[in-house]
Amino acid sequence: EIVLTQSPATLSLSPGERATLSCRASQSVISYLAWYQQKPGQAPRLLIYDASKRATGIPDRFSGSGSGTDFTLTITSLEPEDFAVYYCQQRRTWPLTFGGGTKVEIK
Amino acid sequence: QLQLQESGPGLVKPSETLSLTCTVSGDSISSSDYYWGWIRQPPGKGLEWIGSIYYSENTNYNPSLKSRVTISVDTSKNQFSLRLTSVTAADTAVYYCARRGRTVVVTWFDPWGQGTLVTVSS
Repeated sequence: EIVLTQSPATLSLSPGERATLSCRASQSVISYLAWYQQKPGQAPRLLIYDASKRATGIPDRFSGSGSGTDFTLTITSLEPEDFAVYYCQQRRTWPLTFGGGTKVEIK
Repeated sequence: QLQLQESGPGLVKPSETLSLTCTVSGDSISSSDYYWGWIRQPPGKGLEWIGSIYYSENTNYNPSLKSRVTISVDTSKNQFSLRLTSVTAADTAVYYCARRGRTVVVTWFDPWGQGTLVTVSS
């Protein structure tokens, strides 16, 4: 099973600041990695897939990068609606696995 | 517009079987282009993939749950279902259903149902 480790667990930032979230895989997932955003009481929403492609309707302040074992989700300038929990997920091998999440909170 | 909606009991007794249904509207569940899956999230915790089904009978399950899980499809109702046997308090979670692309460009969970909380308690 591929373990995904996200860091930091919590990121405290102000609106307008840049957020950098990390996801590290226990073995190579090539570029088979996605990022999801989850707000309280809501289902996760697909943000980034195949490591760097934005899903439909996702603003361009969200970007993904990386390959192999190290991946980054960047939010260039935080909007109030971006404060949420972010999860990475791999589909390189079964079972599909998720990272533990990074909470982006208002400082 | 594709929509998924989970339904089922919100309370299950320990050792009994959890049964949930996901009703799909806006797409045919018979399509071989997609997986139909279940993911759960214990309160305050992260996401765990439970399993997926495609083409009505091909399944993949998380090894951690495989001995207790069955996912099936009812094409006449455009629904797919989850059965989890011998539940314990550790199975208390919000259960989501979701579609995942198999042969299309976007091979990720999108969209998701709104989720349903299942509590295991006597």
